[in-house]
Amino acid sequence: GQQLNQSPQSMFIQEGEDVSMNCTSSSIFNTWLWYKQDPGEGPVLLIALYKAGELTSNGRLTAQFGITRKDSFLNISASIPSDVGIYFCAGQLTGTASKLTFGTGTRLQVTL
Amino acid sequence: DAGVIQSPRHEVTEMGQEVTLRCKPISGHNSLFWYRQTMMRGLELLIYFNNNVPIDDSGMPEDRFSAKMPNASFSTLKIQPSEPRDSAVYFCASTYRPGQPQHFGDGTRLSIL
Repeated sequence: GQQLNQSPQSMFIQEGEDVSMNCTSSSIFNTWLWYKQDPGEGPVLLIALYKAGELTSNGRLTAQFGITRKDSFLNISASIPSDVGIYFCAGQLTGTASKLTFGTGTRLQVTL
Repeated sequence: DAGVIQSPRHEVTEMGQEVTLRCKPISGHNSLFWYRQTMMRGLELLIYFNNNVPIDDSGMPEDRFSAKMPNASFSTLKIQPSEPRDSAVYFCASTYRPGQPQHFGDGTRLSIL
């Protein structure tokens, strides 16, 4: 199936650093979602974006819905060890009744 | 609040055996989704239900896979006969209506020997 392109594939950062990752698509979406997956668990929703240009924050996390509706980014400020995990973007078209297309994932490692 | 509940968490079985994965969606959620996650292909949607009715099963790999949702609080994904290439983590997700963010269970890690 189709997957969205996420970059970078993996990141190694030091505690306290800021993190930025993005997601691009060849087609437009009406909704962008960001999930985090810890080992042995299911993806957990972090942020949902519903409008082109929208900028939304959830604590240290900030995400934006690109103006073209073909991309989104996620920033994490002042990273901490529990930020370790795999981050997935997902795009959704309203007309396709909830079908999500997932990104390839960004694996984040945080060193002390 | 109880989230999406999946069982079993782990399943190891020999090829050719029937495998049944179970899911209880969040109470009040009307849409349910089955996904498969592998290293090679990432997260793939297999099938989804709205109000217990299958809406799109185009992601189901082949006839060996079947899914049912007999009521609003229970769904099964069955593989018969199972093959080693079916080894993956299978996730169930639910949402209270189409278009709203999906909430995932913790998955079933399936190993077919």
